Amino acid sequence: GAVVSQHPSWVICKSGTSVKIECRSLDFQATTMFWYRQFPKQSLMLMATSNEGSKATYEQGVEKDKFLINHASLTLSTLTVTSAHPEDSSFYICSARGFPGANVLTFGAGSRLTVL
Amino acid sequence: GQQLNQSPQSMFIQEGEDVSMNCTSSSIFNTWLWYKQDPGEGPVLLIALYKAGELTSNGRLTAQFGITRKDSFLNISASIPSDVGIYFCAGQLNNDMRFGAGTRLTVKP
Repeated sequence: GAVVSQHPSWVICKSGTSVKIECRSLDFQATTMFWYRQFPKQSLMLMATSNEGSKATYEQGVEKDKFLINHASLTLSTLTVTSAHPEDSSFYICSARGFPGANVLTFGAGSRLTVL
Repeated sequence: GQQLNQSPQSMFIQEGEDVSMNCTSSSIFNTWLWYKQDPGEGPVLLIALYKAGELTSNGRLTAQFGITRKDSFLNISASIPSDVGIYFCAGQLNNDMRFGAGTRLTVKP
């Protein structure tokens, strides 16, 4: 079945640094990838929709200059948290869809970011 | 975003009990999906439903796609401790996919 790999699975960084999280579709081409944020004991919050070769579409309230998304190839999307602060600490999850209208999303295992 | 109404928000049950959760929407969908998320992991697909009225089982799990295409339910029979987690519904129409807020299930041994 479809597999989405997310890396790193956890990262600890100092305040003010930038952190990049990768999301890769291993056995299919993902025309669309999604990035979510999840706080402890909370639901998934969609941050942005990333389409290969075009700019990401951000949900209301999500700062695009803070959370940079790049989807340069059909198998890779990256989320960069710029100038991270402790309030950015969270669980970040990506998901991928193979082609427009594909019925099933496959999720990555998530990346836990802790900003000191 | 999360524009589906999923209930209940949380459930605390005894091992062996049956569980039922559902999602409703004011919009129709072509596909309903149910995912489970274990602590510290990403969601994993449990059941996919593609047709109004469809009833599908996966082991102890049973899900149905409502006839109106605006709702779906998930049942878990004879719950076991490893059923603990958050269950999410998702509805899709063309390129638009919406998620429920999740049902947090706790199973007491």
